[in-house]
Amino acid sequence: GENVGLHLPTLSVQEGDNSIINCAYSNSASDYFIWYKQESGKGPQFIIDIRSNMDKRQGQRVTVLLNKTVKHLSLQIAATQPGDSAVYFCAEKSGYNKLIFGAGTRLAVHP
Amino acid sequence: DTEVTQTPKHLVMGMTNKKSLKCEQHMGHRAMYWYKQKAKKPPELMFVYSYEKLSINESVPSRFSPECPNSSLLNLHLHALQPEDSALYLCASSQGPPGLRANVLTFGAGSRLTVL
Repeated sequence: GENVGLHLPTLSVQEGDNSIINCAYSNSASDYFIWYKQESGKGPQFIIDIRSNMDKRQGQRVTVLLNKTVKHLSLQIAATQPGDSAVYFCAEKSGYNKLIFGAGTRLAVHP
Repeated sequence: DTEVTQTPKHLVMGMTNKKSLKCEQHMGHRAMYWYKQKAKKPPELMFVYSYEKLSINESVPSRFSPECPNSSLLNLHLHALQPEDSALYLCASSQGPPGLRANVLTFGAGSRLTVL
């Protein structure tokens, strides 16, 4: 089948630990980034965003870090819970009304 | 209402069929989107409507035909599809431009399409 050999990177963590999910973006001119969470059978859900004039933004249990020098974005989840198990995508604004998604990381939380 | 509703949730069609996917939002958003998502892959942008006008077509084959009858509704008409078009089709909406919040998309749960 077409997906033979393909798999999402997976991060496995214990419940209660902190999780860090990384993302490399491609366009140095991108000025806005969003993290989305996609649970099985659902559409992506907004978690947190950050503008390029910031290097850190905090939400409830989540923090996004932006390093423009190396075009790297990370999502930190504090005290990871089973309900955090999902696929996480970073997305970058690429032109007018255009949001492009990164490859995604599966987060598996074990009790 | 903070939802994007997509119908049908599942669709199976033959290569000669004509079918449509539907999407509706009542958040007053003025931009609407179609994304295609294959298994274990990120969503890929297909079309963007901004203020009911098609603003982006990501070189999508003509067997996919979008339509935006009004600011709340978005359709995707399907005709003569191929088995490789089987995927999850996601609709999304956002506030109209300008402003960065115009890029915060609210997604529906998707329509899972299988082409036989």
